[in-house]
Amino acid sequence: EPEVTQTPSHQVTQMGQEVILRCVPISNHLYFYWYRQILGQKVEFLVSFYNNEISEKSEIFDDQFSVERPDGSNFTLKIRSTKLEDSAMYFCASRGGGGYEQYFGPGTRLTVT
Amino acid sequence: GQNIDQPTEMTATEGAIVQINCTYQTSGFNGLFWYQQHAGEAPTFLSYNVLDGLEEKGRFSSFLSRSKGYSYLLLKELQMKDSASYLCAVRGNTDKLIFGTGTRLQVFP
Repeated sequence: EPEVTQTPSHQVTQMGQEVILRCVPISNHLYFYWYRQILGQKVEFLVSFYNNEISEKSEIFDDQFSVERPDGSNFTLKIRSTKLEDSAMYFCASRGGGGYEQYFGPGTRLTVT
Repeated sequence: GQNIDQPTEMTATEGAIVQINCTYQTSGFNGLFWYQQHAGEAPTFLSYNVLDGLEEKGRFSSFLSRSKGYSYLLLKELQMKDSASYLCAVRGNTDKLIFGTGTRLQVFP
């Protein structure tokens, strides 16, 4: 069964450093998302992406964040200058055009020290 | 504002039936989703309701009442592996999912 994949599974970085989280959505999906989940808290929407542009972004998704689909398979989230409060699990999700259910990847645990 | 409420924790016995409730107040409504999340793992899609009524899928069923802003997830014949968090999420006016805090279910033998 096709699935969303994410790399790395765990990333440790120092405050102020840039990180890039990578995702490979399900191959025939058209809509892509990033969510995050701070430990013990609820899953929060960051950004949605369709047709090579951002569809919607949350208040969390400020100028430090950017997304890109550099080729036909990868979808990346970049945090330019990480802060301690960016420590969270970051989930990529995708969905096809025929349904509204989103399928989540296994997540990248980002730890900012 | 957007608000989704679920109980924080529930416990049940193996083989039993458990109902997890969810109430929502959102800007617009275009579907309600239930996801299962084991600790440290990704949410896994369980069910989708957009019309009132019951959707059954194996041991899991989900119910929706749009007029009451209410849904429940029913798990039958509980197994130990059903111990997980169950997340209620609403698709409002836009494509994003708005999640509740999740209900942590513990199944005991």
